Amino acid sequence: DVKVTQSSRYLVKRTGEKVFLECVQDMDHENMFWYRQDPGLGLRLIYFSYDVKMKEKGDIPEGYSVSREKKERFSLILESASTNQTSMYLCASSFPGTGGRQRETQYFGPGTRLLVL
Amino acid sequence: GESVGLHLPTLSVQEGDNSIINCAYSNSASDYFIWYKQESGKGPQFIIDIRSNMDKRQGQRVTVLLNKTVKHLSLQIAATQPGDSAVYFCAENIGSGAGSYQLTFGKGTKLSVIP
Repeated sequence: DVKVTQSSRYLVKRTGEKVFLECVQDMDHENMFWYRQDPGLGLRLIYFSYDVKMKEKGDIPEGYSVSREKKERFSLILESASTNQTSMYLCASSFPGTGGRQRETQYFGPGTRLLVL
Repeated sequence: GESVGLHLPTLSVQEGDNSIINCAYSNSASDYFIWYKQESGKGPQFIIDIRSNMDKRQGQRVTVLLNKTVKHLSLQIAATQPGDSAVYFCAENIGSGAGSYQLTFGKGTKLSVIP
């Protein structure tokens, strides 16, 4: 089974702090995604990556950056956390290659609930 | 812009009854659809998918129906159980060109199962 893990389930940070959210997948997926999830707004794409060292902006990249130095790891960085970045952050990966499900299917981690005070 | 949406934000169902969760999509270029289940405090889990060349697909206790004429997707859960209580999302994929690996998600329907 696909496994996507996120470094923390809960985080509490102060305004202005630099925050790192880590995501690791163990299925050699090429595509990785970072979303935030807020009540009434659903899932919104922040950034995604199709390959190592490659990144693309999603719908709401402002205030965020990402890093993909290794295929299995995709990091989301909040350079200077603000209270409006309090949210649930979800990482996902896709493209299983041979076998498995359709390549567009995204597999999600358990999420990180971030509170910025 | 075009987006995936849901008819009902909440649905309450008696245990043992069948549940139907609906989703409307507006992008006629979408050719792949997924239903996800998200339990409280967890990430979304894949339930079932369907391609646009099909109108029905069955899984274990779940069936997805696709009506391309009216751009409508539904998820049917047979003999609903308390463990089915969750938020259900539909997602669509355009399947070609730039961004073809991206999914567009609906906002979700909360299913509550009454024991």
